Amino acid sequence: NAGVTQTPKFRVLKTGQSMTLLCAQDMNHEYMYWYRQDPGMGLRLIHYSVGEGTTAKGEVPDGYNVSRLKKQNFLLGLESAAPSQTSVYFCASSSFSRQPLYEQYFGPGTRLTVT
Amino acid sequence: AQSVTQLGSHVSVSEGALVLLRCNYSSSVPPYLFWYVQYPNQGLQLLLKYTTGATLVKGINGFEAEFKKSETSFHLTKPSAHMSDAAEYFCAVSDSNFGNEKLTFGTGTRLTITP
Repeated sequence: NAGVTQTPKFRVLKTGQSMTLLCAQDMNHEYMYWYRQDPGMGLRLIHYSVGEGTTAKGEVPDGYNVSRLKKQNFLLGLESAAPSQTSVYFCASSSFSRQPLYEQYFGPGTRLTVT
Repeated sequence: AQSVTQLGSHVSVSEGALVLLRCNYSSSVPPYLFWYVQYPNQGLQLLLKYTTGATLVKGINGFEAEFKKSETSFHLTKPSAHMSDAAEYFCAVSDSNFGNEKLTFGTGTRLTITP
């Protein structure tokens, strides 16, 4: 199992450009998440999905869109990048279960710089 | 709403000394509590978790944490620090209500180990 993978690992954008970050998981998890990590602020939830075809806003959704067309993939889009979106982006997934044993599995991250 | 406070953004200990990383939470319902570790340029990985049952939880790499409801705390400890413990540590809380699997992270504590 590859677990959670993210593409690309690094990217530099100019202000106003668009891009899509891809997250893929091979664990058949129902839930998927996108976070951003900024110094001194921990991880903040951007958007999440509880299943194929469904998405929901997290704590900091502005400027981002997401899609979950397939259960194993979760895409994060930036339509018009801004310097404030310079960050490290992490994708995570977890399994839906009544047992209180779930945990989130994280990808290696994408480092995005917007100039 | 849930929240997590990690006291001390940077902690430095000598190799072989006790490691103590502090985490206090706020939750209106019984919480699930987690500690994640992030090594440089990597994603987060689960160190340990508390859901129900025994309040002293043991994790990987010799770490443990104790859930103290009266103090709303979940501090992370390790009796003897090793150089390989140098990393950033995140405390996180989740609502134990069924179906709510969003995590709220603290701002992180960077642990430095000195020889």
